Amino acid sequence: NAGVTQTPKFQVLKTGQSMTLQCAQDMNHEYMSWYRQDPGMGLRLIHYSVGAGITDQGEVPNGYNVSRSTTEDFPLRLLSAAPSQTSVYFCASSPRIYNSPLHFGNGTRLTVT
Amino acid sequence: GDSVTQMEGPVTLSEEAFLTINCTYTATGYPSLFWYVQYPGEGLQLLLKATKADDKGSNKGFEATYRKETTSFHLEKGSVQVSDSAVYFCALREETGNQFYFGTGTSLTVIP
Repeated sequence: NAGVTQTPKFQVLKTGQSMTLQCAQDMNHEYMSWYRQDPGMGLRLIHYSVGAGITDQGEVPNGYNVSRSTTEDFPLRLLSAAPSQTSVYFCASSPRIYNSPLHFGNGTRLTVT
Repeated sequence: GDSVTQMEGPVTLSEEAFLTINCTYTATGYPSLFWYVQYPGEGLQLLLKATKADDKGSNKGFEATYRKETTSFHLEKGSVQVSDSAVYFCALREETGNQFYFGTGTSLTVIP
């Protein structure tokens, strides 16, 4: 059971570079989301999707883009990396049933210099 | 809007001590409630859940009861172990099912 798979696990970028964080789930979950976790800030929602072709902004969407062309994949794009985007990023998915929990990936640790 | 307020940490306990981590929530309707645990360098794992009032979730010796009257979902364990050292997050899923809300996390360290 792969669950939610995130790649890469670690990444170092220079300011201004772009990159895509990959997220894939094999549980046929409709709902997928991206969070960032910073010390003392808990989890903050970046973007989410309730199904293929549908995305919406969360609490901190600026500087990030997402798309959802398939049920399985939900990539997060950093358009022009900034040091403020240094963080640990988590992808999570869930069925669209109100009492279902989120299933998390193991995270991507991103450093922007 | 909906929100979760969680006890500030860090919490340090001796092995075999009793643990309580407080969690209260604000929500319309009847949300589902969750506790997650995060070990160092890992993602969040579901620890337990409760989906209606007076439900008790339990797992690995941890328990939490969904209290609608006090809008609370406190996490308890009768005797903690060193291996319980982790960060614990309280969370809710709103009744419509589209949004999740997390507390800021409570770091627990258990010393031998």
